[in-house]
Amino acid sequence: EIVLTQSPDTLSLSPGERATVSCRASQTIIQSSLAWFQQKPGQAPRLLISPASTRATGIPDRFIGGGSGTVFTLTITALEPEDSAIYYCHQYVYYPHTFGQGTKLEIK
Amino acid sequence: EVQVVQSGAEVKKPGESLRISCQGSAHSFANYWITWVRQMPGKGLEWMGVVDPGVSRITYNPSLQGRVILSVDQSTSTAYLEWSSLRASDTAIYYCTTNFLSAGVDYWGQGTLVTVSS
Repeated sequence: EIVLTQSPDTLSLSPGERATVSCRASQTIIQSSLAWFQQKPGQAPRLLISPASTRATGIPDRFIGGGSGTVFTLTITALEPEDSAIYYCHQYVYYPHTFGQGTKLEIK
Repeated sequence: EVQVVQSGAEVKKPGESLRISCQGSAHSFANYWITWVRQMPGKGLEWMGVVDPGVSRITYNPSLQGRVILSVDQSTSTAYLEWSSLRASDTAIYYCTTNFLSAGVDYWGQGTLVTVSS
């Protein structure tokens, strides 16, 4: 099973700042088969990025995915209050598919 | 926009059986993966398994140890997640998603809360 380890576990930043979340895989993720999701309290997750650097439809360009191999990043530039959420990375190339443990982003 | 609608919340006793459902569009269920994701109270997302309609294959997370059954009725575009004997540890929100992630396509249901308590 591929283990995805996100860092940090929590982030507390102010509006306008930049957030960077890292996702490290225990094995190489081929074909950039990595996605990023955002989940707000009481809501289903929402796809932000998939594959690794491609924004999903309707996602603002403040959300930037990058990386390859075993290290991937999600960067959110110019944070807004509504970005407060938990962010998960997810690999979908090897079974079982797996999620990172989540990174909680708090906007001060 | 594809609507994915899941069945309502359930309260069950340990040992009881349960089947929850997820209905999408005919196109998405015929062409995209149908994935189930578990979220235990206050915890992260856990991939349970996937139905790949393209190759008529169902793949489970081994961690579930055969305790659930996934199925799809293509005639009604409805997917099912089933237990024969629930445990308290099955208490969670269960999400259904139909997706083609390599193309950035992903639609989630609203989630079904399953509570198992004596």
